[in-house]
Amino acid sequence: NAGVTQTPKFRVLKTGQSMTLLCAQDMNHEYMYWYRQDPGMGLRLIHYSVGEGTTAKGEVPDGYNVSRLKKQNFLLGLESAAPSQTSVYFCASSPGLAVLAKNIQYFGAGTRLSVL
Amino acid sequence: DAKTTQPTSMDCAEGRAANLPCNHSTISGNEYVYWYRQIHSQGPQYIIHGLKNNETNEMASLIITEDRKSSTLILPHATLRDTAVYYCIVRVGNTGNQFYFGTGTSLTVIP
Repeated sequence: NAGVTQTPKFRVLKTGQSMTLLCAQDMNHEYMYWYRQDPGMGLRLIHYSVGEGTTAKGEVPDGYNVSRLKKQNFLLGLESAAPSQTSVYFCASSPGLAVLAKNIQYFGAGTRLSVL
Repeated sequence: DAKTTQPTSMDCAEGRAANLPCNHSTISGNEYVYWYRQIHSQGPQYIIHGLKNNETNEMASLIITEDRKSSTLILPHATLRDTAVYYCIVRVGNTGNQFYFGTGTSLTVIP
């Protein structure tokens, strides 16, 4: 059971380039999330999804887009990367509100992105 | 939406209990308190969560005050591998179970 898998693990981009980060979960979870973590700071929510075909903005959504075409996948896109987007990106998934008492988020290992 | 306040850092001697406090004075009646930890730059790891009652699992114990305005995470016998940043979180938002992580407490277990 792989849990939450993020690809790639590392990436270096030039300013203005685009890329997509992929998050895949094999736990049949309804909810998925994208966070970013800057040095010395906690995680900040970028976007999240409460089900296939749905997405919503989190705390810091500007400069990012997301898609949830399949239940098991949640994609994070950077259309025109900026140095301010240099960060570590974490994906998470959780079962959903139907099991609220145990709606624990499970995290991937992270993607380290540098924008030059 | 409730947010949390934690000390920036703490030390604990190996083998002793580590008690990590958290204030969440604006917590709503239906919001759970969750604890996660992050070792180095790995993805956060779930530890424990609770609503009103004290909780215990194989990793830790969670003590929530009667008014629910604060809680304490207890690692009963801290080891060097428990050195990490510990986040106290309450659920944010009415849908989606969003988490507000804050900056957490950096726990250093000393040999």
